[in-house]
Amino acid sequence: EVQVVGSGGDLVQPGGSLRLSCADSGFTFSNSWMSWVRQAPGKGLEWVANIKADGSEKYYVKSVEGRFTVSRDNTKNSLYLQMNSLGAEDTATYYCGREFYGAYDYWGQGMLVTVSS
Amino acid sequence: QSALTQPASVSGSPGQSITISCTGTSSDIGGYNYVSWYQQHPGKAPKLMIYMVTNRPSGVSNRFSGSKSGNTAALTISGLQAEDEADYSCYSHATKVFGTGTKVTVL
Repeated sequence: EVQVVGSGGDLVQPGGSLRLSCADSGFTFSNSWMSWVRQAPGKGLEWVANIKADGSEKYYVKSVEGRFTVSRDNTKNSLYLQMNSLGAEDTATYYCGREFYGAYDYWGQGMLVTVSS
Repeated sequence: QSALTQPASVSGSPGQSITISCTGTSSDIGGYNYVSWYQQHPGKAPKLMIYMVTNRPSGVSNRFSGSKSGNTAALTISGLQAEDEADYSCYSHATKVFGTGTKVTVL
């Protein structure tokens, strides 16, 4: 059975940092591109970043470039998103997802990140 | 990159068919077949319903079908059921852009 379990969501002050994690099982994590997608309260989905199976390529949406870093540890079947210099515009539920033929077939349960003083 | 355009809401009675459109450009929808659709119930993670324009993942009902013409993709739900009431979003992997989202209401 496939499981994608996220952790790390929290309330953080503006300018602060947070690290999200996703632990994956039930599929060949080390062969899969992985992505982060977020959804602001009451808004649509927004792709945030992705990382190649071996970690050699990483891509980001412009609004987070230079502030967010995606990484992975294939020995632990885990995906990470380090978020720095957080602002109110980063308040959202963050999902990790496996890429499958240009889509996302396995999703984590979502982690709420609230940026507020 | 701007979000793909979807109608804000679509409604139908049980048993009817409805179609949700997703309009982009030749740089996304029109130029590539990496178009997917997601169903999302309140407070839940999105669920993949269609990938590569027309393909259904294992376990997804055949009442859901996808198509594309020019710069517009579409998701059709036939035999509408109460549990189909949810938000639906399209996505273009070419530009990593989601649609604006459509709320489907079953009357």
